[in-house]
Amino acid sequence: DTAVSQTPKYLVTQMGNDKSIKCEQNLGHDTMYWYKQDSKKFLKIMFSYNNKELIINETVPNRFSPKSPDKAHLNLHINSLELGDSAVYFCASSQGQSLGEQYFGPGTRLTVT
Amino acid sequence: GESVGLHLPTLSVQEGDNSIINCAYSNSASDYFIWYKQESGKGPQFIIDIRSNMDKRQGQRVTVLLNKTVKHLSLQIAATQPGDSAVYFCAERTGGGNKLTFGTGTQLKVEL
Repeated sequence: DTAVSQTPKYLVTQMGNDKSIKCEQNLGHDTMYWYKQDSKKFLKIMFSYNNKELIINETVPNRFSPKSPDKAHLNLHINSLELGDSAVYFCASSQGQSLGEQYFGPGTRLTVT
Repeated sequence: GESVGLHLPTLSVQEGDNSIINCAYSNSASDYFIWYKQESGKGPQFIIDIRSNMDKRQGQRVTVLLNKTVKHLSLQIAATQPGDSAVYFCAERTGGGNKLTFGTGTQLKVEL
């Protein structure tokens, strides 16, 4: 009965590779997000989708491309991975774009070597 | 709490005492604020929220206070328990699309 799930939980890869992280929510929410948490625990939004439409796109390298096949899924594809991409990536979801909490997934720890 | 250097600000309290975690937010136009708790190895978990037209809101063992004059938010935890040990983040909604901007976090350590 996991609300927001992410796969994989851990991802270790080499510089230059391309990787994807998947996210699924079973809460019936229509808005989903990707956040990046760095080694100092700083949490910053990257993208947000509402009903498969991109609504928030922060200053993120274009090597990062989110894809939302339907409103229950938001995947994150990263091309040409760099050392600085190492972080924990969190997916979240909420109902609509109005005030309300965002439900976070368990995170994916990405390590680029 | 403010972030300094490489280390999160840390608050150490004795079990059973009350905890107060502070947060200075940046945008006077922010209309909504949330406190999240993040345990080690897990995603942030919602604790309590408050809208900008309120100055206090209470939940179970937690109270959030909002002072818009000085752009300050605090989280009070009553009778702190070992399970409260975590990193606590405040977040403000700074624009459309439910965009949340997170503060730097405070590590709460509960000593037995």
